[in-house]
Amino acid sequence: DAEITQSPRHKITETGRQVTLACHQTWNHNNMFWYRQDLGHGLRLIHYSYGVQDTNKGEVSDGYSVSRSNTEDLPLTLESAASSQTSVYFCASSRGGTDTQYFGPGTRLTVL
Amino acid sequence: GESVGLHLPTLSVQEGDNSIINCAYSNSASDYFIWYKQESGKGPQFIIDIRSNMDKRQGQRVTVLLNKTVKHLSLQIAATQPGDSAVYFCAESALQGAQKLVFGQGTRLTINP
Repeated sequence: DAEITQSPRHKITETGRQVTLACHQTWNHNNMFWYRQDLGHGLRLIHYSYGVQDTNKGEVSDGYSVSRSNTEDLPLTLESAASSQTSVYFCASSRGGTDTQYFGPGTRLTVL
Repeated sequence: GESVGLHLPTLSVQEGDNSIINCAYSNSASDYFIWYKQESGKGPQFIIDIRSNMDKRQGQRVTVLLNKTVKHLSLQIAATQPGDSAVYFCAESALQGAQKLVFGQGTRLTINP
């Protein structure tokens, strides 16, 4: 069955380190998204992509970057991890337009 | 991933009763609305959506109502079951620039036996 996966599921890192979170979908969806979820907030959009080589900043993009070299993957990189980036990160994908966004299981990231 | 332990609005209902979860949105330009369900340890799961040219849409055991005048959205769950226990989020977007969802804080629904 087609699906969307994230790895790792849990990650502990130190302040200042570079961290990359993986997102992989097998639906051949054009659109992919990264969100973070924190105490007191719903999900907030970090970056998104409407296709290969396309990336766009979301509401809370500072300190994060993404690249889209193929349809299936949208890795999220924290260039220099900060404690404020401790959060649960969700990846999502959709075919396009207003089609439903399907979410991955999430990655819990702790920055010490 | 896990549902973050949030200090959320909560709603407790008896098993078999109907539940109504409310959501206020702020952007009058939003014209597409979605309800998601998030169980502990999982990502959000799509429940139902509605466009602004409608005021009601029904699914299996769920109904979404949209009141654009007061910018209010509600999710009605009929005959709630233990499996309905979760955090429910509303999300909004503008069709132009579609897919940039803005999520509400969520409501925790607890089903009492």
